[in-house]
Amino acid sequence: GQSLEQPSEVTAVEGAIVQINCTYQTSGFYGLSWYQQHDGGAPTFLSYNGLDGLEETGRFSSFLSRSDSYGYLLLQELQMKDSASYFCRCGGGKLIFGQGTELSVKP
Amino acid sequence: NAGVTQTPKFQVLKTGQSMTLQCAQDMNHEYMSWYRQDPGMGLRLIHYSVGAGITDQGEVPNGYNVSRSTTEDFPLRLLSAAPSQTSVYFCASSTRVDGRSYNEQFFGPGTRLTVL
Repeated sequence: GQSLEQPSEVTAVEGAIVQINCTYQTSGFYGLSWYQQHDGGAPTFLSYNGLDGLEETGRFSSFLSRSDSYGYLLLQELQMKDSASYFCRCGGGKLIFGQGTELSVKP
Repeated sequence: NAGVTQTPKFQVLKTGQSMTLQCAQDMNHEYMSWYRQDPGMGLRLIHYSVGAGITDQGEVPNGYNVSRSTTEDFPLRLLSAAPSQTSVYFCASSTRVDGRSYNEQFFGPGTRLTVL
């Protein structure tokens, strides 16, 4: 089967850097994606890692280590609007999400 | 493009009633899926489809049926609603990019379902 583990909540201050970790177990690996969800609305895609290493998209970066079955999402220069839930996701046909990390950004 | 649309936005059912949640996408995506989201439980996969005429079970398929007769539509049927099916339901679609995985899924706005 497949499963993903991520912390349930993280708190940080404006302007800081925060890292959200994700460890996964899957029978066949097809990459790790990250999604953001504000206030129960539709989740939106942030980043994807198919190979080991770092992917950077503006203030957000995502890292993958396939040998460690581990990835993380790095958010820099945190803003209040980054307060949201963040989900990691993996799978080929059966796309499974982690339970989500609620990020609270304080002034 | 409208993207992924879902109807209705809100629905209240009585225990034992049946209903169909509608999902449509206009991006010609071959992959479509249904998730339910309960507080603190993340997104759990109910059913998915990799193309018209092909469906498969996800993590929590019991009590739900799906069909995929066209590329555009992927309805979710609740056969006999139960209070445990009170949840927010999201439909999503995706396509392979450059032969890679379905790295980006596009989500609809969700249907908020309450079963009394």
